[in-house]
Amino acid sequence: DGGITQSPKYLFRKEGQNVTLSCEQNLNHDAMYWYRQDPGQGLRLIYYSQIVNDFQKGDIAEGYSVSREKKESFPLTVTSAQKNPTAFYLCASSALYSGEQFFGPGTRLTVL
Amino acid sequence: GQQLNQSPQSMFIQEGEDVSMNCTSSSIFNTWLWYKQDPGEGPVLLIALYKAGELTSNGRLTAQFGITRKDSFLNISASIPSDVGIYFCAGQRGNDKIIFGKGTRLHILP
Repeated sequence: DGGITQSPKYLFRKEGQNVTLSCEQNLNHDAMYWYRQDPGQGLRLIYYSQIVNDFQKGDIAEGYSVSREKKESFPLTVTSAQKNPTAFYLCASSALYSGEQFFGPGTRLTVL
Repeated sequence: GQQLNQSPQSMFIQEGEDVSMNCTSSSIFNTWLWYKQDPGEGPVLLIALYKAGELTSNGRLTAQFGITRKDSFLNISASIPSDVGIYFCAGQRGNDKIIFGKGTRLHILP
């Protein structure tokens, strides 16, 4: 089955630690995205990538980093510089320039 | 930057009622999309609209691309409990990345 996976579903970290969230897709999509969602809030774009080895900052990139070494994978690192990292993180992919995005199930990160 | 105004922010309805929500922008979009997010899950695309005036249905859902290209509407007929969730509109100009509205939370009263 084609799809997009995120792991783990729940993640706990101590304050000051970096943490990397996984995102993998087998839809052969060129574009991949990371969003952050806070309780009762909408989706805010962190980073996106339209091609391997290239990515662009979204609206709230500070404190986050990404890599795109393979077409299928777009991991997100939440660094200790991110002031309020506790949130629900969503990864998505799409055909290049398409608005029809496919989302993963999300990772809920809690920083203690 | 560009913003989408989605309303209402939340709705409380009885099972079986029809639902209407909308999304407006000060800018023109070439594509309008509607997504639904179930609690604790990622959003799922419901309907995509590509032409001004277009009216598209997906089961009990009907969405319209406003003639001015600055708005879109989503209607749900005869709501059922599984319709609960957050509905997001999204707009796209050309090949730009899409912009999401802040969502409409739908609650269904027993």
